[in-house]
Amino acid sequence: DQQVKQNSPSLSVQEGRISILNCDYTNSMFDYFLWYKKYPAEGPTFLISISSIKDKNEDGRFTVFLNKSAKHLSLHIVPSQPGDSAVYFCAAILGEGSNSGYALNFGKGTSLLVTP
Amino acid sequence: GAGVSQSPRYKVTKRGQDVALRCDPISGHVSLYWYRQALGQGPEFLTYFNYEAQQDKSGLPNDRFSAERPEGSISTLTIQRTEQRDSAMYRCASSREGNTEAFFGQGTRLTVV
Repeated sequence: DQQVKQNSPSLSVQEGRISILNCDYTNSMFDYFLWYKKYPAEGPTFLISISSIKDKNEDGRFTVFLNKSAKHLSLHIVPSQPGDSAVYFCAAILGEGSNSGYALNFGKGTSLLVTP
Repeated sequence: GAGVSQSPRYKVTKRGQDVALRCDPISGHVSLYWYRQALGQGPEFLTYFNYEAQQDKSGLPNDRFSAERPEGSISTLTIQRTEQRDSAMYRCASSREGNTEAFFGQGTRLTVV
């Protein structure tokens, strides 16, 4: 069963506009959330994260919002640039006490295309 | 090394053969994870090591899959008697102790024919 869901397989945005990537989760025990970015032929790379005790984390052009009551998070990229074109994975980590360390539960990914 | 290194990058094997996939984590990273990624899906957790101890292997699909990390550094994921359904990208990630940010290798693309 998919505990982290990214319901949009793809998204196309014009350069300079905002990109909003969405993610929903079902497990209320998730304690930490991350976004990974992946270019073709490369492994995923860490982009930004947020703890469950926060509702917003900002890093430059990237902001992640967390709505715990709705079990929803989103990644905003403003302004979007062509180099942002990649697959974005939402991931979640269970809280302390998990046997699996900080193993990531990934969504299926959203492919973002930023057009000039 | 500078990043997580996985070898081979590509592996084609005949059904029924055994394969061994290698992961060389970032130096000093005590946590090591193996994931499997099917086409169009996100990576799925297979197993986790803390130093040399395999703390969790709940994600391994069946007993044909095993992993080891005997000296707390390099890890090997072994698949015995491979089947076509084992074809996937196998990804390794490592992280510092207590750190949630995991660094991924480029993966090994396994194709079982």
